[in-house]
Amino acid sequence: AQSVAQPEDQVNVAEGNPLTVKCTYSVSGNPYLFWYVQYPNRGLQFLLKYITGDNLVKGSYGFEAEFNKSQTSFHLKKPSALVSDSALYFCAVRDGHTDKLIFGTGTRLQVFP
Amino acid sequence: GAGVSQTPSNKVTEKGKYVELRCDPISGHTALYWYRQSLGQGPEFLIYFQGTGAADDSGLPNDRFFAVRPEGSVSTLKIQRTERGDSAVYLCASSLNSGGGTGELFFGEGSRLTVL
Repeated sequence: AQSVAQPEDQVNVAEGNPLTVKCTYSVSGNPYLFWYVQYPNRGLQFLLKYITGDNLVKGSYGFEAEFNKSQTSFHLKKPSALVSDSALYFCAVRDGHTDKLIFGTGTRLQVFP
Repeated sequence: GAGVSQTPSNKVTEKGKYVELRCDPISGHTALYWYRQSLGQGPEFLIYFQGTGAADDSGLPNDRFFAVRPEGSVSTLKIQRTERGDSAVYLCASSLNSGGGTGELFFGEGSRLTVL
């Protein structure tokens, strides 16, 4: 069965600094990996996905993520954080055998001015 | 509609009552998902429809939970004999998936269920 782990409950970063939100996964086949963001009292919004090809994928709002097969990781990154990036971030994974998308427990990103 | 619509946005009920939550997906999306999100937790998978049929209902916690999608569009999540532990935000999502798992999910804003 597939699973995903987000080891940090919260990440704090100063505005303008780079940010990283960590995610590792476990699947039996090829992974399809996703990042979503959730603002307070809002639904989840899709940020980016890795299906195949280039290990570095770019998404919405200047976010990017790097797929690392050997480390089974898919960390979310942004070169320069904004206060408005403060939100809850979820990593999610499917394997190639099912359409069921499994989410991690989430990481709260707090960007300080 | 432009996005996934869920009704009601808030539902307060008493323990033991029956509840229905409705999801109207994005037009043309064949796949529809239900998740449950408790405070401070990630979305927990409940059930997934491809068209009218439940392709995977392995996440339904027990037989008090049931979902239908009779015409392949709108879906209803039904909870019988509600318990306080059922209190959560129930999320619906739809996707263009026709199998293969590469499509992203588009989420509604959820139905917050409170069981007193």
